[in-house]
Amino acid sequence: DGGITQSPKYLFRKEGQNVTLSCEQNLNHDAMYWYRQDPGQGLRLIYYSQIVNDFQKGDIAEGYSVSREKKESFPLTVTSAQKNPTAFYLCASSIPGGLFNQPQHFGDGTRLSIL
Amino acid sequence: SQQGEEDPQALSIQEGENATMNCSYKTSINNLQWYRQNSGRGLVHLILIRSNEREKHSGRLRVTLDTSKKSSSLLITASRAADTASYFCATDGGQNFVFGPGTRLSVLP
Repeated sequence: DGGITQSPKYLFRKEGQNVTLSCEQNLNHDAMYWYRQDPGQGLRLIYYSQIVNDFQKGDIAEGYSVSREKKESFPLTVTSAQKNPTAFYLCASSIPGGLFNQPQHFGDGTRLSIL
Repeated sequence: SQQGEEDPQALSIQEGENATMNCSYKTSINNLQWYRQNSGRGLVHLILIRSNEREKHSGRLRVTLDTSKKSSSLLITASRAADTASYFCATDGGQNFVFGPGTRLSVLP
């Protein structure tokens, strides 16, 4: 079955530590996205990538970094510069045809907490 | 304030009743999408409606779009307990893809 796999499901970060969230898809989608969801709020776009080796900042990119070395993978690093990282992080992908003009397929998220 | 905002924030209905959720947005759009999220899970795409469309159906779901009022509605007919979830609208107005805060639907058996 094709889909998006996010790991780990739960992650804990110590002060001053960088952590990396994994996102892998076998849908052969070109576009991938990272969102942050806080309680009672909608999703906010962190970064997105339309093709390999290219990515763009979203609305809340500060304190985060990404890479897109393979079509299937789009890892997100939450750096120590992100002072309020506790949130639910969601990865998504879509087929080409306009960046936000196609349905997005989501993983089941990673919940990040501060120790 | 957000590009897309759903109304109401929360809705409780009995199984078998219809549920209607509304979404308002501020800037011109090319398309509007509705998603469902079960607690602690990722989002599931429901319907995409383009700016030149007025209504779309998918099973028990009906979505309307009124670009003159910058609003959309999602109707779920004959609701089931399994429809209990949060529902989000998302628009491509502005620079990026923007999700509203969602409507939390509870369907009581």
